[in-house]
Amino acid sequence: EPEVTQTPSHQVTQMGQEVILRCVPISNHLYFYWYRQILGQKVEFLVSFYNNEISEKSEIFDDQFSVERPDGSNFTLKIRSTKLEDSAMYFCASTLTLGFSGELFFGEGSRLTVL
Amino acid sequence: AQTVTQSQPEMSVQEAETVTLSCTYDTSENNYYLFWYKQPPSRQMILVIRQEAYKQQNATENRFSVNFQKAAKSFSLKISDSQLGDTAMYFCAFMTTSNTGKLIFGQGTTLQVKP
Repeated sequence: EPEVTQTPSHQVTQMGQEVILRCVPISNHLYFYWYRQILGQKVEFLVSFYNNEISEKSEIFDDQFSVERPDGSNFTLKIRSTKLEDSAMYFCASTLTLGFSGELFFGEGSRLTVL
Repeated sequence: AQTVTQSQPEMSVQEAETVTLSCTYDTSENNYYLFWYKQPPSRQMILVIRQEAYKQQNATENRFSVNFQKAAKSFSLKISDSQLGDTAMYFCAFMTTSNTGKLIFGQGTTLQVKP
């Protein structure tokens, strides 16, 4: 069964460093998302991406964050200069269609630890 | 703004028994979608069951059913004949019909099924 895969599973970085989290969505899906979960808190929406552009982003998704789909298969989240508060589990998701029938498929997550 | 609240951080149930997980939400919209997602330990979040707000009939998927009370803004999940494989974190989630695919999650409930 097709799956959303994410790499790395865990990354430790120093504050101020750039981090790229990678996702391979399900191949025929059209809509892509990043969510994050800070330890002990809710899963929060970061950004949605469709047709090679951001369709919606949250207040969390500031200028330090960017997303791209460089080659038609990978979907990446870049954090330009990491802060301690960026430590979280980051989930990628994809779906073929929107709305009620559009089931989001999630990856296992990438745990980011910023020291 | 919409919010989702799960007031039970942890629950446990004996194998083969029935358990109900609570979820309440707040919205001013009349139509929307509600979901329960399951995240087994170290695995992806997967969709368990979904409900359209304009449908009064409660959704069921095999051993999983919901009690949707629109006026009370309540959306509880009932798991019948609990199995060890049901051990997971369960997230209640809300989606507007604005067709962005963005989910708003509750805090999650950790369910332990005991043999």
